[in-house]
Amino acid sequence: DTEVTQTPKHLVMGMTNKKSLKCEQHMGHRAMYWYKQKAKKPPELMFVYSYEKLSINESVPSRFSPECPNSSLLNLHLHALQPEDSALYLCASSQGGGQYFGPGTRLTVT
Amino acid sequence: GQNIDQPTEMTATEGAIVQINCTYQTSGFNGLFWYQQHAGEAPTFLSYNVLDGLEEKGRFSSFLSRSKGYSYLLLKELQMKDSASYLCAVWTEYGNKLVFGAGTILRVKS
Repeated sequence: DTEVTQTPKHLVMGMTNKKSLKCEQHMGHRAMYWYKQKAKKPPELMFVYSYEKLSINESVPSRFSPECPNSSLLNLHLHALQPEDSALYLCASSQGGGQYFGPGTRLTVT
Repeated sequence: GQNIDQPTEMTATEGAIVQINCTYQTSGFNGLFWYQQHAGEAPTFLSYNVLDGLEEKGRFSSFLSRSKGYSYLLLKELQMKDSASYLCAVWTEYGNKLVFGAGTILRVKS
């Protein structure tokens, strides 16, 4: 099973809203990631969690706040986003060779 | 620095063979990945090369030469559904970090 799940699939939020994206994997992977992807661009790394600890933050604005409640779950809390934050947000997990992506959340900020 | 180059676009005919090249210069190397991404969807893992040589998986093969900083993805018996973006990504030594190329858009015509 190489499945990473993400909810919701689509999200529309205003600039004053607070929302959360959720990611789950049951492959026993100990590294989990958040990426942001704009149209016709490759995925852009945001955060890496390794063994439930934040190991990489790619200078992401504080309006994005990651959380790893346990080894299977990864959340991304969103607050006071800007229209330019509209994108596909991808979660991934890995252990050794192979980084597997979830289906993504299509986020629109109005 | 990190630099991964791949052609922007390629066009090939249904039933033919196409080779997508990727060259890289990265700080450290722990393997090279190829992903397929259809428009609006998440990247799908295709292959992982860590040693020199050819890895074959059905219609898809991937080759790596570490000394030349070079890889290619070979797609045989092209089908219309192979029209997608193909992403080359290098696993660097900076703990669990994948660096992506810009992607190659492959168009398969009948």
